[in-house]
Amino acid sequence: QVQLVQSGAEVKKPGASVIVSCKTSGYTFTGYYLHWVRQAPGHGLEWLGWINPSSGSTIYAQNFEGRVTMTRDTSISTAYMELSSLRPDDTAVYFCARDIKVTTSFDFWGQGTLITVSS
Amino acid sequence: DIQMTQSPASLSASVGDRVTITCRASQSIRSSVNWYQQKPGNAPKLLIYAATNLHRGVPSRFSGSGSGTDFTLTISSLQPEDFASYYCQQSYSTPYPFGQGTKLEIK
Repeated sequence: QVQLVQSGAEVKKPGASVIVSCKTSGYTFTGYYLHWVRQAPGHGLEWLGWINPSSGSTIYAQNFEGRVTMTRDTSISTAYMELSSLRPDDTAVYFCARDIKVTTSFDFWGQGTLITVSS
Repeated sequence: DIQMTQSPASLSASVGDRVTITCRASQSIRSSVNWYQQKPGNAPKLLIYAATNLHRGVPSRFSGSGSGTDFTLTISSLQPEDFASYYCQQSYSTPYPFGQGTKLEIK
């Protein structure tokens, strides 16, 4: 069965960087785009960008350009999202999600990773 | 960027009720709308994609309609497990924003 398993919660200081991993299984990793979405406590969902695991190409939301980097390691079917220059308002649960491919929508999600930014 | 305005922000209803949640796009997005359900502490779940298509495994009491700028999610007969938050999302062009969400509560 399809699974996306993310790395654990982290606490970071302002200005630091964080890398969240998303290990996939149960399907062909290079066959589906992966997206990253975040949700601040008590708030809605915000799309960060996507990566094409086959080519490594990426598209980032303009709000995060210059601070976010998405990469992948096809040998272990894992995607990564790095967010730099962290601010307290980056505190959120970060999700990876698989693109359904028929249209841009997300059919399988990771469990979420809480990133807390605090001095 | 295309904005998505979702309403209502919250809704109280009873088991068996028919409920409707709406989303309006700031410009035409054809049929490029998805709907998700999210329960506290969990990741969202895809309900409807491309405005009207029921994702596999989703009960048929959920349905979506609309095109252009106005879209609707309807739950025909609320079940206890349907009390959750619901989000629309446009998938016509990046940055694929979500609506603000609708929290569906038990009356």
